[in-house]
Amino acid sequence: DAGITQSPRHKVTETGTPVTLRCHQTENHRYMYWYRQDPGHGLRLIHYSYGVKDTDKGEVSDGYSVSRSKTEDFLLTLESATSSQTSVYFCAISVSGVGTGELFFGEGSRLTVL
Amino acid sequence: EDKVVQSPLSLVVHEGDTVTLNCSYEVTNFRSLLWYKQEKKAPTFLFMLTSSGIEKKSGRLSSILDKKELSSILNITATQTGDSAIYLCAVERNAGNMLTFGGGTRLMVKP
Repeated sequence: DAGITQSPRHKVTETGTPVTLRCHQTENHRYMYWYRQDPGHGLRLIHYSYGVKDTDKGEVSDGYSVSRSKTEDFLLTLESATSSQTSVYFCAISVSGVGTGELFFGEGSRLTVL
Repeated sequence: EDKVVQSPLSLVVHEGDTVTLNCSYEVTNFRSLLWYKQEKKAPTFLFMLTSSGIEKKSGRLSSILDKKELSSILNITATQTGDSAIYLCAVERNAGNMLTFGGGTRLMVKP
């Protein structure tokens, strides 16, 4: 068990409101990722981090920002939520230490934007 | 841009059947291909295939990488209802720091 906790697990919000999802790990891994999952699209990378204050964009980063002020926490923020951001969000960590290979995923956060 | 395509999109079989799931990819400077199983929540890791390890097996599941055809298959023999899940394929490139996933194959195994 890689020790990943996502919060909140479920959230319903309204269009235009800010939302922050939190990913917490207990094992001090360097690489952390945020993916979103939508029917027919598999998992798509939003942002990832390779260390404290070191982040980079993925393929669907528009409308999202991230922060990593501590090794154990990786935050995903929707500055102004839109209905197209209704999705299931997964946090993941790379246990290899070099940002590749096997990822361990959190349980997911289901976000509904009305 | 890396691309991963899985087929079929969905599949319904009966217990005891053998299934083959397909994954084709386009990736610059290929490093590895990974298979995941996703039941109700988080995807869980099954296999990783690289240029130096093109076949993996674990119990009733096995996977082969065809580097020439840029594809991989995941075989499940003697299927059980517990094999019902979405199966995800992903690729990574050398020095890439990330995985690119396909859309998944939804497998349903009926008793």
